[in-house]
Amino acid sequence: DTEVTQTPKHLVMGMTNKKSLKCEQHMGHRAMYWYKQKAKKPPELMFVYSYEKLSINESVPSRFSPECPNSSLLNLHLHALQPEDSALYLCASSLATGRGGEYFGPGTRLTVT
Amino acid sequence: AQKVTQAQTEISVVEKEDVTLDCVYETRDTTYYLFWYKQPPSGELVFLIRRNSFDEQNEISGRYSWNFQKSTSSFNFTITASQVVDSAVYFCALSGQYETSGSRLTFGEGTQLTVNP
Repeated sequence: DTEVTQTPKHLVMGMTNKKSLKCEQHMGHRAMYWYKQKAKKPPELMFVYSYEKLSINESVPSRFSPECPNSSLLNLHLHALQPEDSALYLCASSLATGRGGEYFGPGTRLTVT
Repeated sequence: AQKVTQAQTEISVVEKEDVTLDCVYETRDTTYYLFWYKQPPSGELVFLIRRNSFDEQNEISGRYSWNFQKSTSSFNFTITASQVVDSAVYFCALSGQYETSGSRLTFGEGTQLTVNP
């Protein structure tokens, strides 16, 4: 099973809302990632968790707050977002960090109004 | 620094034609991984292949084949007898061996493939 699941599939939120994106994998992978993808562009790395610890933060604004409750789950908490944060948010996982996140979830398409 | 170049922004072919998507990469790592992903309009990034830098054997999977040439830093992808369902954006990506370079995928800009009936 090479499945990474993400919920919700679509999310519309106002700039004052607080919401969370969820990601889950049961492949025993110890590295999990958040990527952001704008239309017609490649994905851009946001965060990397290795063995449930945050190992990389790509200078992401604090209105995005990641959390890794256990080795299978990854959350992205959203607060006070801007319209320019509207994008496809992709979660990925890999056996170890040396592979950059091989398996991607279907993504959450976020619209900030 | 790592870099992936997909020079073909858009390719349009007629069904049953063969098509090759080019990928050229740059890295200082001696060990690295190369990937191809397919992204259909639904948005999901579908993993197609991972290739280790020490394995230069070409690979074939059904209508898909990959040509890895370390001497030219290229990892090209060929679809034989293309089908309409192959229409998607295809990304080539690279990850390195170290904590800084191995913990991320460096993507090319992607190639939009359109297969017309």
